[in-house]
Amino acid sequence: NAGVTQTPKFRVLKTGQSMTLLCAQDMNHEYMYWYRQDPGMGLRLIHYSVGEGTTAKGEVPDGYNVSRLKKQNFLLGLESAAPSQTSVYFCASSYSPVHNQPQHFGDGTRLSIL
Amino acid sequence: AQSVSQHNHHVILSEAASLELGCNYSYGGTVNLFWYVQYPGQHLQLLLKYFSGDPLVKGIKGFEAEFIKSKFSFNLRKPSVQWSDTAEYFCAVIPFHTGGFKTIFGAGTRLFVKA
Repeated sequence: NAGVTQTPKFRVLKTGQSMTLLCAQDMNHEYMYWYRQDPGMGLRLIHYSVGEGTTAKGEVPDGYNVSRLKKQNFLLGLESAAPSQTSVYFCASSYSPVHNQPQHFGDGTRLSIL
Repeated sequence: AQSVSQHNHHVILSEAASLELGCNYSYGGTVNLFWYVQYPGQHLQLLLKYFSGDPLVKGIKGFEAEFIKSKFSFNLRKPSVQWSDTAEYFCAVIPFHTGGFKTIFGAGTRLFVKA
């Protein structure tokens, strides 16, 4: 079972460059999330989606954009990368968090901005 | 500010020692509670979850957690840790008043078990 797949796994960018992180899930989950993980700060929610065609801001949305054109895919974009966006990015998906469903996480993307 | 607090950022134990990791949250009303584990170089995996019913929840690998509503706590325990339990542990809360869409994570506790 593939579960949640993130691409790429590693990337180094220069300040000002743009890129898109792709998250794909094959579990037919409605909810998808993008987090960033920084030392001592746990996971912080960037954006999330409760269904195809919908997106919403999380805790730290500035500098990021997202799209959910297909149910199985959730894209995270950095239009103009900044060193403060150096982090490990995790995508997650779930059926319905309200009904005690846990999130399923991808393996992460380690992003460094120089 | 509403939050999820994990009191210990780093814990070092010897094998066979007992473990208790604290987690407190500040959200009122109904919540769903989770503990996730992240082994070195891996993604987060669910250890256990609480939604309702018996406040003592048993999870995988011998872990358990107790929900104490009056203390807004959901502490994780294991009677005897193993070297393979070395990992980072995250407490997470879904407060229903946010619509149930957001999971709020604690900052994590890094556990190192000495062989």
